[in-house]
Amino acid sequence: QQQVKQSPQSLIVQKGGISIINCAYENTAFDYFPWYQQFPGKGPALLIAIRPDVSEKKEGRFTISFNKSAKQFSLHIMDSQPGDSATYFCAASGTGSARQLTFGSGTQLTVLP
Amino acid sequence: DAGITQSPRYKITETGRQVTLMCHQTWSHSYMFWYRQDLGHGLRLIYYSAAADITDKGEVPDGYVVSRSKTENFPLTLESATRSQTSVYFCASSVTGDGETQYFGPGTRLLVL
Repeated sequence: QQQVKQSPQSLIVQKGGISIINCAYENTAFDYFPWYQQFPGKGPALLIAIRPDVSEKKEGRFTISFNKSAKQFSLHIMDSQPGDSATYFCAASGTGSARQLTFGSGTQLTVLP
Repeated sequence: DAGITQSPRYKITETGRQVTLMCHQTWSHSYMFWYRQDLGHGLRLIYYSAAADITDKGEVPDGYVVSRSKTENFPLTLESATRSQTSVYFCASSVTGDGETQYFGPGTRLLVL
């Protein structure tokens, strides 16, 4: 059972454009929603994270938008750069049996120069 | 600051052989994790450990064994490798076990023939 569904699987964006990756979750026990960034040949690294007490969190060009009622959250990359080309994973964790991170299937982002 | 290291980085083995993947962290983090990464599935948790001598199953534990005799080491053993275990394996560590900020190693790419 995939508890965190991520789309699209791949995304191609022109330099300077906006990249948007979406995730939806099912488990209402989730209360922490991070995004990880992974470059080829490397392990994933935490990019940005949000808790459901806020609807948006921004760090530089990266923004998480969170919709608790729809059980959806998304990553927006403004002014996308070729250096942003990587695989992005959304994830979720919560309490009890949901304590460990559950990852989405990943989105391979390519930013064209 | 070595962080978290994995060895070997690449491994080719044959069906039925025992394989051990090593993970070492220098931060003295309490929690350590093993994930496998497969296209279309993202990262799936195999096993995790809250402290030395404390381990627990994740989402896909079958065919794997872990141990943690020292805080800094968390080896993963495939007792009798199968082709379905061909994957990229990531070790991670964190200060707490509630999903927040996991630090990933560089991964081990395993091919089972």
